[in-house]
Amino acid sequence: DQQVKQNSPSLSVQEGRISILNCDYTNSMFDYFLWYKKYPAEGPTFLISISSIKDKNEDGRFTVFLNKSAKHLSLHIVPSQPGDSAVYFCAASEGTSGSRLTFGEGTQLTVNP
Amino acid sequence: EPEVTQTPSHQVTQMGQEVILRCVPISNHLYFYWYRQILGQKVEFLVSFYNNEISEKSEIFDDQFSVERPDGSNFTLKIRSTKLEDSAMYFCASTRFMNTEAFFGQGTRLTVV
Repeated sequence: DQQVKQNSPSLSVQEGRISILNCDYTNSMFDYFLWYKKYPAEGPTFLISISSIKDKNEDGRFTVFLNKSAKHLSLHIVPSQPGDSAVYFCAASEGTSGSRLTFGEGTQLTVNP
Repeated sequence: EPEVTQTPSHQVTQMGQEVILRCVPISNHLYFYWYRQILGQKVEFLVSFYNNEISEKSEIFDDQFSVERPDGSNFTLKIRSTKLEDSAMYFCASTRFMNTEAFFGQGTRLTVV
């Protein structure tokens, strides 16, 4: 099942700089996209979401961009902080499928002090 | 802040035994889910539950699996006869409405020996 793909297994950035995490999808029926953050031995924590009717959503240091024509979304974290170090998952759902989430593989973000 | 709670945090069971994983979703949420993550793999959808019945299930959710909401607060996942390949982290999640952000519990690590 490759409907949601995160091609970078890891990303390392310096504290204070921008982190950009990318996600691609193939299912054109997806209409709601989410980013989750996960620490070891914990469940995914919701960060931010975007509906397919928008191309940008912002919440504090987190901004999600959606490019529907490219079937691509990205999460920008500015400025990055060491506490942001975690695995980040993108997920998608179809409105008709009762909110079932399809997850990407995850990207391990490391923010170095 | 309201949260999804799961018990136990870790369960070890013999192959062929039945296990019940328990979850208390957020109290005013209407949709409930089980996901699992096998070590090194993606988070996978198992089943969604709404209005006291299964609304969707994946191909993983075969006859060995069942879900129940026995009272107004608990949501359980039962595996009737566990197999080695059922070893995984199992996450419960809930949403207030369809196609809104899902909140996840901290997970139950199931180890089948």
